Formats: sequence, structure tokens, C-alpha cells
Amino acid sequence: SQTIHQWPATLVQPVGSPLSLECTVEGTSNPNLYWYRQAAGRGLQLLFYSVGIGQISSEVPQNLSASRPQDRQFILSSKKLLLSDSGFYLCAWSVLVTSPNGVMSEQFFGPGTRLTVL
Amino acid sequence: AQKVTQAQTEISVVEKEDVTLDCVYETRDTTYYLFWYKQPPSGELVFLIRRNSFDEQNEISGRYSWNFQKSTSSFNFTITASQVVDSAVYFCALSEALLDAGNMLTFGGGTRLMVKP
Repeated sequence: SQTIHQWPATLVQPVGSPLSLECTVEGTSNPNLYWYRQAAGRGLQLLFYSVGIGQISSEVPQNLSASRPQDRQFILSSKKLLLSDSGFYLCAWSVLVTSPNGVMSEQFFGPGTRLTVL
Repeated sequence: AQKVTQAQTEISVVEKEDVTLDCVYETRDTTYYLFWYKQPPSGELVFLIRRNSFDEQNEISGRYSWNFQKSTSSFNFTITASQVVDSAVYFCALSEALLDAGNMLTFGGGTRLMVKP
């Protein structure tokens, strides 16, 4: 079965410090991978998605970046954190499934990393 | 552009009451997919259901049921006989194409459901 890991689970960082959040997926090959951010009390915002190694698409311009050095590894980084970067970061992956209604797709989410920038 | 609106930011009910969470979406595509996710206090998003735009049949799974109406662009979620464990934030989401094509989910703002004993 497939599993998605994220670490660290929680992180407290000072403003201006660097950031590296890691996400890995097990049990599947060539998944689409996604990074979302959820600010306190708000909905989810897609930050980046990747359809393959080295392929990154950015949805929101900001001081964050993403990389996919391996098929099942997705990294979210920043050189200098801002206060506004605080939030709950979720990694997700997607796969096609066949159902009586045809071919569909669903997205599975990791446990998340809660980042507090002070 | 696609958009998902969950007008109810917070709902509070007493255990055993029925509750309906509203979801209204906007899309220009004729093929799209709708989803509901549950986010308990632990934070992890739990997939509940997906529905494609060609299947308007309503679905029931235990105490959960979903009412998809293309005429009103709505995909509402009803919990029957609510329980304290149902307390969570619920997100409705839309995708205009297969996720595996690289397209992403557009989420609504979420509805926080509080079920009191």
C-alpha cells in the first residue's frame, strides 16, 4: 500500500532563517506531487506541483521554492523565512484509479508540518 | 477559472442532529471532479468522496450522504445523526481535469463543524 511521509512534524524557526521540508512517498511510481499551505483558520492554497523528476510548477509567487530530486521525494525550501510563512504545510500525491464510472483520480495527503516563524 | 465556495465557515450542532454542509462551485469545463475531505484536529486531510461531472447519482455511505446537483452547481454533504467524532473542518474541492494530468485541486475555504455532546 502507498504511504506518504512528511518531516519534521513541527518546526519553529526565526525570521530570516532557511527552511527545508521533506516529503516522501512509498508504494507508487511516478506520482504527481503537491505542496499546499494552510494559514491559521483558512483554507488550503496550492504552492507547487510536480509531474516528474525535476519538473516543478509554481502556483503562487513567493519566497518559497520546491525541488524533486527523486521520483518519490518532494522538498519545500526557503532561503529566508518571513513571518507570513507560518502555517500548516501539506504534501500530497495523486494517482489514477479505475472505477465503474470510468478513470478517476484522487489526491492523498501527508500528515503535515506545522511551521511557526517567530 | 474555477472556484469553490463554502459559505458556512462554522456550524455548531448537538450530537444526533443532522447537519448539511454546503458547497457551490464554478467551472467552465464540462468534465470536472468534485471531492470532499475531512480535516480532524490532528491536521491530516482525510479523503471522503470523489464525484465526476457525468455522475449525478447521489451517494450514501453510512451516516454520510452527498447530493450533487449540476443545475445549481452544488455538491452538498449531509451527516445524519452527528457524533462528537465528526467534529472537524470539512473541505470541498474541484478539479477541472484528471489530477494525474498535473492539474490541481481548488479548495473551498472549509467549514468547521463542532458537534457538542
